Order: sequence, then C-alpha cells, then structure tokens
Amino acid sequence: DAGITQSPRYKITETGRQVTLMCHQTWSHSYMFWYRQDLGHGLRLIYYSAAADITDKGEVPDGYVVSRSKTENFPLTLESATRSQTSVYFCASSESSSAGDGLFFGEGSRLTVL
Amino acid sequence: AQSVTQPDIHITVSEGASLELRCNYSYGATPYLFWYVQSPGQGLQLLLKYFSGDTLVQGIKGFEAEFKRSQSSFNLRKPSVHWSDAAEYFCAVDRYSSASKIIFGSGTRLSIRP
Repeated sequence: DAGITQSPRYKITETGRQVTLMCHQTWSHSYMFWYRQDLGHGLRLIYYSAAADITDKGEVPDGYVVSRSKTENFPLTLESATRSQTSVYFCASSESSSAGDGLFFGEGSRLTVL
Repeated sequence: AQSVTQPDIHITVSEGASLELRCNYSYGATPYLFWYVQSPGQGLQLLLKYFSGDTLVQGIKGFEAEFKRSQSSFNLRKPSVHWSDAAEYFCAVDRYSSASKIIFGSGTRLSIRP
C-alpha cells in the first residue's frame, strides 16, 4: 500500500541504548518530518528534511540524529536514549515546502525508555 | 512567540448532538490554519484548512470550521456527531507558509456518549 510506514510500532529500550526508528514513504514526497507527541504538548518538530542529504533542526532536536540518503527513507536515531525521550514519534511527509498541501502522517512509533 | 491554544482538553458529547471544538492563536497577521484528527492508534489526518477567502471552510467527514479574525479563532464544528468521530483533534497554525513552521495545539480529546 502507498503511504508512510513506520517501524517498529512499539519499542521498549533501556537508558543509554541506541534506538533507530524507521520511516518509509512511497509518494516520492520531497519533504519529510519527525515529530514527537507528548501529553499536553501536542506535536513538536524534531527534525525535517527538504530532500535527500538535506536535513535541518526543528524545535526539539537535542539527543536525536537523522539522515536521508534516499528520498523515501528518513530514519530517526536516538544515540543514547534517555527517559525523557519516552514518547510517541510520528513521521510525516509533504509534497512541497508549503503548508498548504497538508502533512501526511505515519501511524506512529511508541517508544518507552526504561 | 507563536502559540496555538485549544482550551478544552477533553469533551464528551452525545451521539447525534452538535459539536464545537475551540482553537485560538496569537498572531497579528492571519496565518494558515488547519484541523487534524487522530483516531486511536493512528497518525494525524488533515480535516480541513484555511488560507484566505471565505471564512467558513468545509472539510472531510462532515466537519467545518469558521475563521474569525476579530477573535483570533478557528473553531471546528459538526452538526451531528457519530460514534466514529471519537478521536483527538488538533488545531495547527502556520504563519510562514512553510510546513516546517507549523505549530500544533495540545489537542482536544472527543468522546461520544451512546
């Protein structure tokens, strides 16, 4: 099916471990985004990418690393997970930089850091 | 700083009753405005958007929203809710026509009473 798929959907890890959340989209959208969703905060942008090999920080980038070697993939890595990174992570894509197209979201990855 | 306020954390309405979810923003100029819905375990889906023109916009699933400049509000409405409308609703604002600058409200959870 076309769309955005995230994996894993659920992950439990321990403090200090490296975790990578995967995001794959089949629309060939140029723009991709990573958000975290926390109670009372709505969605906050972690990183985004305008194209392959172009990434930029969002509102809450600390503790995260992204890469985008291919247009369709945008993995998010927590190099040394902390409890404060327990959250639900959403990947999204957009055909253009304009907000007018709306964002298309994956189903989310729920991460628990013990 | 930009902000988006959804004053109601949780609302319960009876099936068949009308619904209004509130959203206020704090900018001088008219930003781009969005409503997204998040069903349980799913990603966010765009319901409707406002850029300019007619201040009453129609969206999917029978929802509409009205932009009121004087009140800096963009409230979401539905004349008759269905049990399937139970979800989390997010208002979002973009001042710069840039997907990377979208600010999300903290969300309103809608429950439907049978």
